[in-house]
Amino acid sequence: QKEVEQNSGPLSVPEGAIASLNCTYSDRGSQSFFWYRQYSGKSPELIMFIYSNGDKEDGRFTAQLNKASQYVSLLIRDSQPSDSATYLCAPTGANSKLTFGKGITLSVRP
Amino acid sequence: DTEVTQTPKHLVMGMTNKKSLKCEQHMGHRAMYWYKQKAKKPPELMFVYSYEKLSINESVPSRFSPECPNSSLLNLHLHALQPEDSALYLCASSPGGNEQFFGPGTRLTVL
Repeated sequence: QKEVEQNSGPLSVPEGAIASLNCTYSDRGSQSFFWYRQYSGKSPELIMFIYSNGDKEDGRFTAQLNKASQYVSLLIRDSQPSDSATYLCAPTGANSKLTFGKGITLSVRP
Repeated sequence: DTEVTQTPKHLVMGMTNKKSLKCEQHMGHRAMYWYKQKAKKPPELMFVYSYEKLSINESVPSRFSPECPNSSLLNLHLHALQPEDSALYLCASSPGGNEQFFGPGTRLTVL
């Protein structure tokens, strides 16, 4: 069983829509959850983190965590073409190591 | 200074060469990391330094040799690499709260 799974992509949404990116993880000991955005040819950029069950909002981004279901998601409201990138889900595991999912590529159509 | 810097941006080397990658941060972060990322794959952890000491080595071949001369610097020494080692090498640092901040990476090509 894969440690971190992200829903299959690529995901394409029209400009202004809500993009929903989902992630499940297998390590029940994970305490911290991170979302990174990576543009093609660039390095990952931390955009959101969440530690507690529930929602956390930062501008157009909302992270949602459900530890009982081992599920974390990222919602992007009012999607813009500049949001087109690969989004990596990364829970922490043993020794505070990040375990990255494969990533999902988001394309926002103008 | 709120960023992680890496040099060089690009590196081409032959299989018999010795080269080094350099990473620097001046944010006072006490943990530093090396990752390797192949195209269309997530980053793979190679090494972790915590308080200038190697704390994690993810069974990386000995042709990769990390070094942490001080709390701001992290080097990765390369020797006798193989073409399959061509990748984007990423350095990251963390203040200790698990969040990691990545540098821009060094794109390595081994001929």
